[in-house]
Amino acid sequence: SAVISQKPSRDICQRGTSLTIQCQVDSQVTMMFWYRQQPGQSLTLIATANQGSEATYESGFVIDKFPISRPNLTFSTLTVSNMSPEDSSIYLCSVVVGGETQYFGPGTRLLVL
Amino acid sequence: AQSVTQLGSHVSVSEGALVLLRCNYSSSVPPYLFWYVQYPNQGLQLLLKYTTGATLVKGINGFEAEFKKSETSFHLTKPSAHMSDAAEYFCAVSGTGTYKYIFGTGTRLKVLA
Repeated sequence: SAVISQKPSRDICQRGTSLTIQCQVDSQVTMMFWYRQQPGQSLTLIATANQGSEATYESGFVIDKFPISRPNLTFSTLTVSNMSPEDSSIYLCSVVVGGETQYFGPGTRLLVL
Repeated sequence: AQSVTQLGSHVSVSEGALVLLRCNYSSSVPPYLFWYVQYPNQGLQLLLKYTTGATLVKGINGFEAEFKKSETSFHLTKPSAHMSDAAEYFCAVSGTGTYKYIFGTGTRLKVLA
């Protein structure tokens, strides 16, 4: 498995502002993902964070709204830009370890007022 | 294409009773199947997974699941529920050669004293 940490664990933000979420892994991993979990709902994949290249976004998510950086194999950031109350969610990063299994960080709980 | 259906968004069982959480999937390639648990204000924890081999998979905390190809199911069971099992449970599918998961909508398990 892997030990994954996220910062911040939670935040309350004003609409129109941006928040950057950090994901740190205790070992080098190739595959890293960012998910959104809206209140009372399941997980939706936002993008695959690629080391050394632009992230690959899923349908409905765009780089201008959710820019992602992946400077090395242990770290990534997700920025939620120009936030609105609809962005209130839990944001989770995950990594693939052991070939096919994803392990998740504890999540960042975001409330936008 | 892949999809996951979890029957029952809320399930209540008495403490000591059998837990059965249902998951059906569709996949155009041999599936990998996963069950995750999410406790309040926490990230997702892997309970168990099926990739290849034995179709009855045992996981943590006394949970197990059986892969039934003919029924396209991967139901999660536990013989005797404990109060600490109260949580949200997610079934997920991925396919050979892809790391992306498709998550079900989740089942919230309530354990009654």
